[in-house]
Amino acid sequence: DAGVIQSPRHEVTEMGQEVTLRCKPISGHNSLFWYRQTMMRGLELLIYFNNNVPIDDSGMPEDRFSAKMPNASFSTLKIQPSEPRDSAVYFCASSLAAAAPLHFGNGTRLTVT
Amino acid sequence: AQSVSQHNHHVILSEAASLELGCNYSYGGTVNLFWYVQYPGQHLQLLLKYFSGDPLVKGIKGFEAEFIKSKFSFNLRKPSVQWSDTAEYFCAVRVTNAGKSTFGDGTTLTVKP
Repeated sequence: DAGVIQSPRHEVTEMGQEVTLRCKPISGHNSLFWYRQTMMRGLELLIYFNNNVPIDDSGMPEDRFSAKMPNASFSTLKIQPSEPRDSAVYFCASSLAAAAPLHFGNGTRLTVT
Repeated sequence: AQSVSQHNHHVILSEAASLELGCNYSYGGTVNLFWYVQYPGQHLQLLLKYFSGDPLVKGIKGFEAEFIKSKFSFNLRKPSVQWSDTAEYFCAVRVTNAGKSTFGDGTTLTVKP
């Protein structure tokens, strides 16, 4: 079991650039979650998918953020254009079922200068 | 919507001291409860979970938590902490058969050697 795989581990970009974060959930898990963690706001749920379908995107900050899950083994979170306040650690997590515990990836540390 | 409250933002203990971290949630229905731990620079990992049955659940590394339904609480305990327990601890609530987990703001535990 390779766990949830996120890439890149670190991303440093300039304001205005497009950023794409990637996630490969654990095989067989049918729920996928994107979280953002900052010192100020803690851990925030951005969006989650169930069986590749977005269920709740109410946590997405604004239209600059978008997420896709084209198949059961891959998801992306895109920020376009990026802003300094987007700097955070972005975690992807997956779970086997609705009530199951979350398995987190190692996160992507995003810095927007 | 459910919410989770962790009362202690930062706890500092000496090794061998006993630990109790508070967690209260607000939701009137059936929930699944979790504690996650995040060691410095790492991703969140499951510490323990409660679904049903015995309200006293035991997790990894000597941690346990007690679900008290009448108090909407799920406090985390450890009789004797170690320096390696220094980490951030998150309580999470998931409505049964719902998708998303709601996390508390986290409690940072520092154990002095």
